[in-house]
Amino acid sequence: QKEVEQDPGPLSVPEGAIVSLNCTYSNSAFQYFMWYRQYSRKGPELLMYTYSSGNKEDGRFTAQVDKSSKYISLFIRDSQPSDSATYLCAMTSGNQFYFGTGTSLTVIP
Amino acid sequence: EAGVAQSPRYKIIEKRQSVAFWCNPISGHATLYWYQQILGQGPKLLIQFQNNGVVDDSQLPKDRFSAERLKGVDSTLKIQPAKLEDSAVYLCASSLDVRQATNEKLFFGSGTQLSVL
Repeated sequence: QKEVEQDPGPLSVPEGAIVSLNCTYSNSAFQYFMWYRQYSRKGPELLMYTYSSGNKEDGRFTAQVDKSSKYISLFIRDSQPSDSATYLCAMTSGNQFYFGTGTSLTVIP
Repeated sequence: EAGVAQSPRYKIIEKRQSVAFWCNPISGHATLYWYQQILGQGPKLLIQFQNNGVVDDSQLPKDRFSAERLKGVDSTLKIQPAKLEDSAVYLCASSLDVRQATNEKLFFGSGTQLSVL
């Protein structure tokens, strides 16, 4: 079993839709949780960074962490064509980073 | 603040040739990482440096891959000889100092797209 599991998609939604991206993990030692956005032919860009269980909101993006279920989510409200990218979840234990495989999202105008 | 710089952006070589990638991390970042990202997969750690020392190179194919970070700033990753399965994006990333805190954030460069024919 991989330490971080992420549905690879691809996911295709109409502009304005609410998008839900999810990851599950098996290691209860993970402390910090991140979402990266990766545009085609670019490196991953840090989008959201959370520590505790609960929600963290930044504009149209909300990161949710449920440590009891070992489950994290990223919600995108009012999705835009510019949100079309691959979204990677990541988490840390000590000084190591663990990544999901990424979910490819396309927002159709 | 300048980000992580990488070069070249693209490289096409034939199998059995050698290739080198260069990375300049964010100024002041002590920890530097090289990741390999195959199409459709998440980044896979190849090697992690703390200043100019290696912290983790357990997944680096040492028979063909080598990396160095002389003077604890810039780093180079080399592949010699390249195989077809080395075709991937090679990402460099840096963080401030993962020894000092466990809540460090990871910042990536744009990567080098390698195609081995």
